[in-house]
Amino acid sequence: EVQVVESGGGLVQPGKSLRLSCAASGFTFDNYAMHWVRQSPGKGLEWVAGVSWNGASTDFAASVKGRFTISRDNTKNSLYLQMNSLRGEDTALYYCAKDRGQQQLVFDSWGQGTLVIVSS
Amino acid sequence: SYDLTQPPSVSVSPGQTASISCSGDKLGNKLLSWYQQKPGQSPVLIIYEDKKRPSGIPERFSGSNSGNTATLTISGTQAIDEADYYCQAWDSSVVFGGGTKLTVL
Repeated sequence: EVQVVESGGGLVQPGKSLRLSCAASGFTFDNYAMHWVRQSPGKGLEWVAGVSWNGASTDFAASVKGRFTISRDNTKNSLYLQMNSLRGEDTALYYCAKDRGQQQLVFDSWGQGTLVIVSS
Repeated sequence: SYDLTQPPSVSVSPGQTASISCSGDKLGNKLLSWYQQKPGQSPVLIIYEDKKRPSGIPERFSGSNSGNTATLTISGTQAIDEADYYCQAWDSSVVFGGGTKLTVL
């Protein structure tokens, strides 16, 4: 069974940093691109970042470019999101999502999310 | 930036057909996906590449995409289909529609 489990969320002050992790299982991790998608409380979905199967290519939403980095460790079947210079508008539930292929930009498995609250 | 526009809400009676639209400039030239999100749950992919259904998704869910509008159609809508539905495409970046709350009443 495909499973992705996020961790690392919490309460953080504006301007600080946080690192999210996503542990994957049930599929050949290094065959697929991976993504982070967030959802602010009561709002819609927003794609945050994506990384290719081998980590060589990354892409970011304009709202986080230059502040967030995405990476993966295929030896550990893990995905990461390093979030720096956090702002109040980054408050959201962050989902780890598996791509349907190597870069199809279709998200066929989602975790339960990890909540990030940016507040002083 | 590219925008996908969905109606905020759609209502349907049980057993009837629900249609949820998603509009964007030349959307028919792009590949579209649809996701279902029930309250308190994570999104689930229900349609990809405009009209394909992942395994396990009921046949009552179908999709189309042409011109500037894509449509998710739910035939024989059931109470369990009550959820938020999001369309998603790629332009220069991944884009989601604002979501449509489907009420079955």
